[in-house]
Amino acid sequence: EVQLVESGGGLVQPGGSLRLSCVVSGFSFDIYWMSWVRQTPGEGLEWVANIKPDGSDRYYVDSVKGRFTISRDNAKNSLYLQMNSLRAEDTAVYFCGQNTGMDAWGQGTTVTVSS
Amino acid sequence: DVVMTQSPLSLPVTLGQPASISCRSSQTLEHTDGITYLSWFQQRPGHSPRRLIYNVSKRDSGVPDRFSGSGSGTDFTLNISRVEAEDVGIYYCMQGTHWPPLTFGGGTKVEIK
Repeated sequence: EVQLVESGGGLVQPGGSLRLSCVVSGFSFDIYWMSWVRQTPGEGLEWVANIKPDGSDRYYVDSVKGRFTISRDNAKNSLYLQMNSLRAEDTAVYFCGQNTGMDAWGQGTTVTVSS
Repeated sequence: DVVMTQSPLSLPVTLGQPASISCRSSQTLEHTDGITYLSWFQQRPGHSPRRLIYNVSKRDSGVPDRFSGSGSGTDFTLNISRVEAEDVGIYYCMQGTHWPPLTFGGGTKVEIK
C-alpha cells in the first residue's frame, strides 16, 4: 500500500522558517518525481514545487522561489521542503505527492504563519 | 501559465441521479508526446485529495466505475453516473502538460439535495 506521511508543520512568526518532511512507503521512491502542493484555508489547491528522482532538477511556483527549497533523501525514502522567510500568505495545509501527476497524497501538515 | 476553469462552482444532486462537472483549460492540453495530462481529484470533507482519473479518462485503481472522464483539447468533463452519499466533496481538475507550474481548477462542490 502506498503511504505518504508529512510532518513538521506548526505555528511560526512571519520571517521564520520551518522544514517539512514526507516519509513514503509502498513504492520505489527513487524512481519517482515528487511534489509539494498546498491548500489555503477555504481555498483551492496550489502546486508549490517538485523534484526529479535523482534530485538534479527542481521547480517552484513563482511565489516561493528564493524562499523555499525542495530536497530528497532516497536512502531514507524522504522528501523535504525547507521554508524560509515565511509570510502570512504561506499559511496552508501542505501535502506531499507521488509523481508530477499527484498519483497519491499524504494526509497533509498544517503551517500557520502568524505573529 | 495554463488557467483551469471549472463549472459549476456548486452542484446539488439527488442520490442516484447523474452529475457532470466541466473543466476548461486556457491552452490545449495535448502534449507533444500525444498524451493529454488532465486529471481529476476528489476531496471528501476532512480528507486529503485522492486522484480518480488521469490522462483524461483512465480510472485509478479502486475507483468505482460510476466515475468517468472524457474530453480533449481544452474541454473536459467528469461524470458520475449515479451519485451516492459517499461522493459528497469537492472535485478538482489538474493539468500536467504545461509545467511548471502544474495548475488546478478552482473546484466544484458536490452536495446532496
